[in-house]
This record gives sequence, C-alpha cells and structure tokens, in this order.
Amino acid sequence: DAKTTQPNSMESNEEEPVHLPCNHSTISGTDYIHWYRQLPSQGPEYVIHGLTSNVNNRMASLAIAEDRKSSTLILHRATLRDAAVYYCILRPYNTGTASKLTFGTGTRLQVTL
Amino acid sequence: KAGVTQTPRYLIKTRGQQVTLSCSPISGHRSVSWYQQTPGQGLQFLFEYFSETQRNKGNFPGRFSGRQFSNSRSEMNVSTLELGDSALYLCASSLARGANYGYTFGSGTRLTVV
Repeated sequence: DAKTTQPNSMESNEEEPVHLPCNHSTISGTDYIHWYRQLPSQGPEYVIHGLTSNVNNRMASLAIAEDRKSSTLILHRATLRDAAVYYCILRPYNTGTASKLTFGTGTRLQVTL
Repeated sequence: KAGVTQTPRYLIKTRGQQVTLSCSPISGHRSVSWYQQTPGQGLQFLFEYFSETQRNKGNFPGRFSGRQFSNSRSEMNVSTLELGDSALYLCASSLARGANYGYTFGSGTRLTVV
C-alpha cells in the first residue's frame, strides 16, 4: 500500500485558516486521496476525498498537487470544534482492496482562542 | 437521518469469555467494515462485509469473526478473550464498495477485558 506522511501536530488560532499537509510520493495513478478526522471520544468522521482535481465541500477544501505526490486539507476558518486528529489516507481504485482504510498516526490539530 | 449505531457502548468481560458486538449501518448502506482502535496500534482494519459476504480481512487471529445479515446489519464476535483485546471497536458503513465512497463511522463499543 502507498504510504502517507503527515506532521505529528499543528496549532492554529480560532477563525484562522488551517492548511494540513500530506505527502504521498508513491501514490499510484488510480489512488483516491481521502481525509478523515477523529474528535476526542468519537469515531472517525469522513471529511473529503479527491482523485486529481481540487475539491470543496461544506467542511473543507482539498488541494491536490499537479503531480499528485502531495495534498493539503484546508479548513477555511478553524473553530474549537475542529480540534481533532486528521488522517490522510490513500485508497486504491481496486474494489477488492479499496474497502480497507489504512490509518497512519495522523496530525493532531490544536485550535486555540 | 440516523447514523451508524453500535451496541453496546461499553462492555466489560473476563478473560476467556466471548463477546458479540452489533452494528446497524445507515439505511441503504450495504458495505460494513470493522476496526479496532488501541493506544498502541492505532486504528486497524478487521474486516469488511458486503452482501452478507466477507470481502476483505485484516491481519487478526481467527478468534475475531463477523457476519452480515440480509438487512446489512452486522455483528462481530471475539472468542476466548485476551487482555490485549481491550479496545474501542468501530463499525463503519458505506453506500457501496470502491474508493469513490466515504465511510460513516459509529461511536464505537469500548470493550474492557479483565
């Protein structure tokens, strides 16, 4: 499985934008890039995913580098409720293996007033 | 709409016993996966069920098993419990298989083996 590399932790001020990076230099052409987050005492929560183009939804934006070797999750205005561990996950197109989410250690985001 | 429901939320069992955990996916979701989360190993994939068939399995011993019913509800069973099985067990459901679908997770069952 292709691996992802994320910083262990990041800090942000409330109402500031946050850019969470993820490196995936061994990504294959058919791997989807998924982001999940896990708030304290909860199960992981789907945030966003994409293949080649940048993606936006109500929670966040996903910026994918042109060579797809890295991506950035963008929270436009961080709130205290965004404090969580954020996981960047590659999912192969192959249906047989796509169902298995391989979680790394993620990035712990702290948001302060 | 209702999310993924896992029961029970908390469970305490004795070493050597067996346990069954239940998961009700979001209505219409047909793929159900199970994960184990521990402080030491993080989130690890256990297995995935789709159309009542196990489609994918993680690297866990045979004591861990599961099944899916025709209404997509799923159960997982752990036999001969060990202290190391103490963990948060998470269920996730998805509309279909494939990398273009996201998973919705439940809040988990916290299992403590004493």
